[in-house]
Amino acid sequence: KAGVTQTPRYLIKTRGQQVTLSCSPISGHRSVSWYQQTPGQGLQFLFEYFSETQRNKGNFPGRFSGRQFSNSRSEMNVSTLELGDSALYLCASSSSGLAVRDTQYFGPGTRLTVL
Amino acid sequence: AQSVTQLDSHVSVSEGTPVLLRCNYSSSYSPSLFWYVQHPNKGLQLLLKYTSAATLVKGINGFEAEFKKSETSFHLTKPSAHMSDAAEYFCVVSEPRGGGNKLTFGTGTQLKVEL
Repeated sequence: KAGVTQTPRYLIKTRGQQVTLSCSPISGHRSVSWYQQTPGQGLQFLFEYFSETQRNKGNFPGRFSGRQFSNSRSEMNVSTLELGDSALYLCASSSSGLAVRDTQYFGPGTRLTVL
Repeated sequence: AQSVTQLDSHVSVSEGTPVLLRCNYSSSYSPSLFWYVQHPNKGLQLLLKYTSAATLVKGINGFEAEFKKSETSFHLTKPSAHMSDAAEYFCVVSEPRGGGNKLTFGTGTQLKVEL
């Protein structure tokens, strides 16, 4: 099976712009989670989607949003970009996310740089 | 609330010597615990996971970890380090939340392997 794919891999934006990142989960996986990774804050949970519904949300401002499509692909959007949004954004998928034992499989990430 | 503490931010070993990366956790539930590895500019790769089936868990690339409930620890070990093991390692705890799972990441341990 193909792994989790994320596009684009690299992005450079300027402050105030908005950006959309895409994630395609492993075939058959229905849960998609997003994480932000920065040197200062480490890995932080953004949100999780399951069957097109946001099931969990982390402590991020409303500028961060996401959605999931019927084929389980997911997008996240960041509006009004700030310098502090520069980070590696990781997407992870799992089969259902219902069982605490479910493994999340990560994509390679999208490196966002805000200038 | 769950938390993970990785006791060493950096570990340096010589090639061929044992590796020990330490992790302590706190959880209100019977947790699932994971170790992930991240090579530079890559996503996270699952090394191994504990899901209460056996306290000694074997993973990929010769890594293993032992769950010790009395010590709330889940340390990662490898008998003999290889240059390719140089990477950042994350200890992760998973708990049920909102119908799905919530992953909490440790701050990571950078493993350096020297000749």
